[in-house]
Amino acid sequence: AQTVTQSQPEMSVQEAETVTLSCTYDTSENNYYLFWYKQPPSRQMILVIRQEAYKQQNATENRFSVNFQKAAKSFSLKISDSQLGDTAMYFCAFMKHGEGSRLTFGEGTQLTVNP
Amino acid sequence: GAGVSQSPRYKVAKRGQDVALRCDPISGHVSLFWYQQALGQGPEFLTYFQNEAQLDKSGLPSDRFFAERPEGSVSTLKIQRTQQEDSAVYLCASSLVSGGSNEQFFGPGTRLTVL
Repeated sequence: AQTVTQSQPEMSVQEAETVTLSCTYDTSENNYYLFWYKQPPSRQMILVIRQEAYKQQNATENRFSVNFQKAAKSFSLKISDSQLGDTAMYFCAFMKHGEGSRLTFGEGTQLTVNP
Repeated sequence: GAGVSQSPRYKVAKRGQDVALRCDPISGHVSLFWYQQALGQGPEFLTYFQNEAQLDKSGLPSDRFFAERPEGSVSTLKIQRTQQEDSAVYLCASSLVSGGSNEQFFGPGTRLTVL
């Protein structure tokens, strides 16, 4: 079974600054995918960024980037130039390769961006 | 196009009542997932459909939980004889195809409160 751990229940950052959210996972799989999802107070879960485990290059989506360390089973999310709209709960999630694979989520990190 | 929709958005039930939660996935999406999200926690997998076939129901917590997707589109999650521990947000997600890193698109969820 896979487990995902987010050790920071809450984080805060000033607008325009950079913040890093941590995530570690445990798996015996070699082929898998990792995701960061954002859940604003409205509850709609939105995909922020994804990483394929077989790719060494870290994924980047505009202000969002990841630091993927496969050997250490670490997958952190960096948000640059933080904006007020980034305030949300962020979930790290794991999916093993294969048909119909479910997402396994961490406990979440509540990020607050302060003006 | 329309995203994943769920109804009702809020449901209050008395302990022992049966409830039915509906999910309308994105048109054409083959895969459909149900997750349960307890307060302050990450979502946890309940069950998975590929078209009308329920291929994985290993996450259903008890035989009081039942899900169906008879025509491969709309899905219903039914909870019989609700208990207080069933109180949670129930999230539905769909993806175009199964497996791989295909993005799961989430609905807004149904918040179930059992009194």
